[in-house]
Amino acid sequence: GAVVSQHPSWVICKSGTSVKIECRSLDFQATTMFWYRQFPKQSLMLMATSNEGSKATYEQGVEKDKFLINHASLTLSTLTVTSAHPEDSSFYICSARTPWGGGATDTQYFGPGTRLTVL
Amino acid sequence: AQTVTQSQPEMSVQEAETVTLSCTYDTSESDYYLFWYKQPPSRQMILVIRQEAYKQQNATENRFSVNFQKAAKSFSLKISDSQLGDAAMYFCASTNSGYALNFGKGTSLLVTP
Repeated sequence: GAVVSQHPSWVICKSGTSVKIECRSLDFQATTMFWYRQFPKQSLMLMATSNEGSKATYEQGVEKDKFLINHASLTLSTLTVTSAHPEDSSFYICSARTPWGGGATDTQYFGPGTRLTVL
Repeated sequence: AQTVTQSQPEMSVQEAETVTLSCTYDTSESDYYLFWYKQPPSRQMILVIRQEAYKQQNATENRFSVNFQKAAKSFSLKISDSQLGDAAMYFCASTNSGYALNFGKGTSLLVTP
């Protein structure tokens, strides 16, 4: 159980276009979803925290107008990279937090990631 | 601000041997949780083990165990009877008040036959 999917798994787009990445919790309801970014041979960096039905909270340095996050339901969050540029090329990973157990003891489950390449 | 430090960019272990990966952290949270995640070449993040800071007993999951030293803010991972499938990038992480994970830079583990 506790499977998180991401779609697409990889995408190539032209500079200036927008790309939407979907994150779905398949067999559980996620109160919170997180979006991370990982550059090659680096660690995961938190971009934003997304709670269902409310505005996302962005980390310092992350442009909220460029990285639009929508958490429309307890099983779906989307990240839209607007007007993408080559420097936005990266590996984007989402995770979903389950409500079981309450507090910080509940577990985050990660999606398989989306590789974005902007030409 | 939370920081997680992994001082070993790379480690190597022979199959069936034991290896310890180091992690130190700094947090202002009174209640927090610590994790080790594994990222194989597929890049899928896999939870290896977690520790609740209020628990004194070290967490154990089969061949994986931690040495949690709260006063020293140290959280090392021991892998016993290493297997070829253990080869991966290992990330130490802590939670913040919003429950997001703050990751260290990672340790690349190589397992040799």
